[in-house]
Amino acid sequence: KAGVTQTPRYLIKTRGQQVTLSCSPISGHRSVSWYQQTPGQGLQFLFEYFSETQRNKGNFPGRFSGRQFSNSRSEMNVSTLELGDSALYLCASSLAVSLLETQYFGPGTRLLVL
Amino acid sequence: AQSVSQHNHHVILSEAASLELGCNYSYGGTVNLFWYVQYPGQHLQLLLKYFSGDPLVKGIKGFEAEFIKSKFSFNLRKPSVQWSDTAEYFCAVRYSGGGADGLTFGKGTHLIIQP
Repeated sequence: KAGVTQTPRYLIKTRGQQVTLSCSPISGHRSVSWYQQTPGQGLQFLFEYFSETQRNKGNFPGRFSGRQFSNSRSEMNVSTLELGDSALYLCASSLAVSLLETQYFGPGTRLLVL
Repeated sequence: AQSVSQHNHHVILSEAASLELGCNYSYGGTVNLFWYVQYPGQHLQLLLKYFSGDPLVKGIKGFEAEFIKSKFSFNLRKPSVQWSDTAEYFCAVRYSGGGADGLTFGKGTHLIIQP
């Protein structure tokens, strides 16, 4: 089975711009979660989608949003980029939203905001 | 707030040494516990997980972890490390808060194995 794929792998943007990141889950997985990884804060949960609905949300400002499509693919959008948004954004997929599910991670999209 | 604490940020060991990485979490309710590893240039991979049952769980590459509920701990162990174990190790917890929240990660432990 192919793993979680994320595109693009690298992005450079400037402050004030917006960015959209894409994630394709493992075939058959219906839940997609997004995480931000930075040297200072580590890995932090952004949000989780299942059946095109946001099920859980972390403690991030409203500039961070996402959506999920009927084929379970997900996109994450960050508007009005700030320097502090520079990070590795990781997508993880699982079969469903449940304590019993294991999340499998993609390679990430590295975003640099100048 | 729920949190995960990894006690050692950097660990340097020689090959064949034994390894124990500490992990403590703050929540007393139902949790599921994970250890993930990130090898240089690679993405996060699952090492092992605990959901229920035997508190001693075995994972890939000879790793194991023990869940001690009374100590809110889930320490990772390996009896004899190899140079290829050089990586960043993350402890993660998924809490039950009415449903299932996202994973809460520790800050990670950077493990360097010297040949």
